[in-house]
Amino acid sequence: NAGVTQTPKFQVLKTGQSMTLQCAQDMNHNSMYWYRQDPGMGLRLIYYSASEGTTDKGEVPNGYNVSRLNKREFSLRLESAAPSQTSVYFCASSEEPHATYEQYFGPGTRLTVT
Amino acid sequence: GQQVMQIPQYQHVQEGEDFTTYCNSSTTLSNIQWYKQRPGGHPVFLIQLVKSGEVKKQKRLTFQFGEAKKNSSLHITATQTTDVGTYFCALNDMRFGAGTRLTVKP
Repeated sequence: NAGVTQTPKFQVLKTGQSMTLQCAQDMNHNSMYWYRQDPGMGLRLIYYSASEGTTDKGEVPNGYNVSRLNKREFSLRLESAAPSQTSVYFCASSEEPHATYEQYFGPGTRLTVT
Repeated sequence: GQQVMQIPQYQHVQEGEDFTTYCNSSTTLSNIQWYKQRPGGHPVFLIQLVKSGEVKKQKRLTFQFGEAKKNSSLHITATQTTDVGTYFCALNDMRFGAGTRLTVKP
């Protein structure tokens, strides 16, 4: 099992460009999450999907959109990138949409917006 | 909403010394989780605490949940270089602490 995979690993964008970060899991988990990690600020939840067909905002959703394409895949889109979105993005999954379940994280995407 | 404070932000120890990180919440928690992130890596689940006053051990790591379920600690006995990384607590609303970055001098 690959667990949680993310593409790309690295990306550099110019301000105003758009891109989609891809995430897939092969553990048959119901719930998936997108976090961003900035120095000194820990992980902040952007969006999550409790189950296939549902998505909800997290702590910092502005500037992002998500799509739960199917049970395996959950993508994060930046429509018009801004320098403030420079960060490391982690996708995670868990069996069920409750914080009592362990989250499994992908390797991350390091995004720089110039 | 819930406020979470994790202290200290950084800790540098000599190999063999002990290390403790604390996580404090402004509200009562239903549970708390701890994760470790190695430099350049991704967070990895360590443990979950659910009961008031709960203490769990994993080899040299001891995890405690406060009696009031508002705070938690992670203690490492006799640190090793393999313990290097950032330790995060995660609350029941998927909010993470800012983390404690541990460095160990051999």
